[in-house]
Amino acid sequence: DGGITQSPKYLFRKEGQNVTLSCEQNLNHDAMYWYRQDPGQGLRLIYYSQIVNDFQKGDIAEGYSVSREKKESFPLTVTSAQKNPTAFYLCASTPTSGKGDTQYFGPGTRLTVL
Amino acid sequence: AQSVTQLDSQVPVFEEAPVELRCNYSSSVSVYLFWYVQYPNQGLQLLLKYLSGSTLVKGINGFEAEFNKSQTSFHLRKPSVHISDTAEYFCAVSDRGGYNKLIFGAGTRLAVHP
Repeated sequence: DGGITQSPKYLFRKEGQNVTLSCEQNLNHDAMYWYRQDPGQGLRLIYYSQIVNDFQKGDIAEGYSVSREKKESFPLTVTSAQKNPTAFYLCASTPTSGKGDTQYFGPGTRLTVL
Repeated sequence: AQSVTQLDSQVPVFEEAPVELRCNYSSSVSVYLFWYVQYPNQGLQLLLKYLSGSTLVKGINGFEAEFNKSQTSFHLRKPSVHISDTAEYFCAVSDRGGYNKLIFGAGTRLAVHP
């Protein structure tokens, strides 16, 4: 089955630690995205990547970093510089970076800072 | 800049009743419009999207939406809801000129009661 997998499903972090969230897709999609979801605020774009070895900041990139070394993988690192990292993180992909493409979402990772 | 307003944060409704979830957007350019559904602790799934053509768009699970350019609205409707429709619904917009960036509304929680 083709799709997007995110791991882990739940992640707990101590303050001051960096953590990396995994996102893998086997849909052969070119573009990938990371969103943050907070209650009552909808989804906000953190980073996106239209092709391998290229990525751009979204609306709330501070305190986050990404890499896109392979087409199928787009990991997100939440650094200690992110002041309020507790949230639900969603990865998505689209076949191309074309306008109007449907975004396909993974199941999400819930990050909690202890 | 674009924005999306979902006019109701919560909509309670009885099973088999009709429902309308309201969405208004603001944009200075032409847009594409989307409705996504999110079940608890899961990713988002596309219900329907408007790219061009007929302003009445039919989607999955019996949902439909109507694009009204003069009122900048894209309301979602279903003539008869089921318990299984209980979920959070997100309206989103992307402009036709840029890359495939989605701006999401804050979401509407639909609660279907027996």
